[in-house]
Amino acid sequence: EIVLTQSPATLSLSPGERATLSCRASQSVSNYLAWYQQKPGQPPRLLIYDASNRASGIPARFSGSGSGTDFTLTINSLDPEDFAIYYCLQRSDWPRYTFGQGTKLEIK
Amino acid sequence: QVTLRESGPALVKPTHTLTLTCTFSGFSLSTGGVCMTWIRQPPGKALEWLALIDWDDDKYYSTSLKTRLTISKDTSKSQVVLTMTSMDPVDTATYYCARILRDDSIDNYFNYWGQGTLVTVSS
Repeated sequence: EIVLTQSPATLSLSPGERATLSCRASQSVSNYLAWYQQKPGQPPRLLIYDASNRASGIPARFSGSGSGTDFTLTINSLDPEDFAIYYCLQRSDWPRYTFGQGTKLEIK
Repeated sequence: QVTLRESGPALVKPTHTLTLTCTFSGFSLSTGGVCMTWIRQPPGKALEWLALIDWDDDKYYSTSLKTRLTISKDTSKSQVVLTMTSMDPVDTATYYCARILRDDSIDNYFNYWGQGTLVTVSS
């Protein structure tokens, strides 16, 4: 099973700052990685797919990069609505998808 | 318009079997490339993929839970059913269904989700 490790577990920032979230895979997943945002009481929302492609309707301040085992989600100029939990997901080992354990982005 | 909705009991007793139904619209599970999955999330914890069924009735399960899970589909009713046996309090979670389209870049990921249904395991 491919294990995804996200860091940090919690990130405390202020609106307007830049957030950098990391996801590391236990083996190469090529670029088959996605990022999700989840707010309380809601299902996750797809932000980025295939490592660097923004999903429809996702603001340009969200960007993804990486390939192989190391991936980054960057959120430029944080908006108050961006404070949430973020998960990465790999589909390289289809159909055995695995999620990271999440990074909580909280207001400092 | 793609919609998915989970339904099932809110409370299940330990050792009992859970049966959840996902009712969907806007697509057919008989169309080539269409797959349906179940994912769960214990309160305050991470997401966990559970099972997948595809348009050809092939079924796949989480390695750690495969002895307890069964996924099935009723194409005529646009429903997918997940059963989980031997329920334990650690299985308390919100259970989601989601759609996947094979051979489609973005929809190879979970792009459409239900709202989820919270299942509590307690006597």
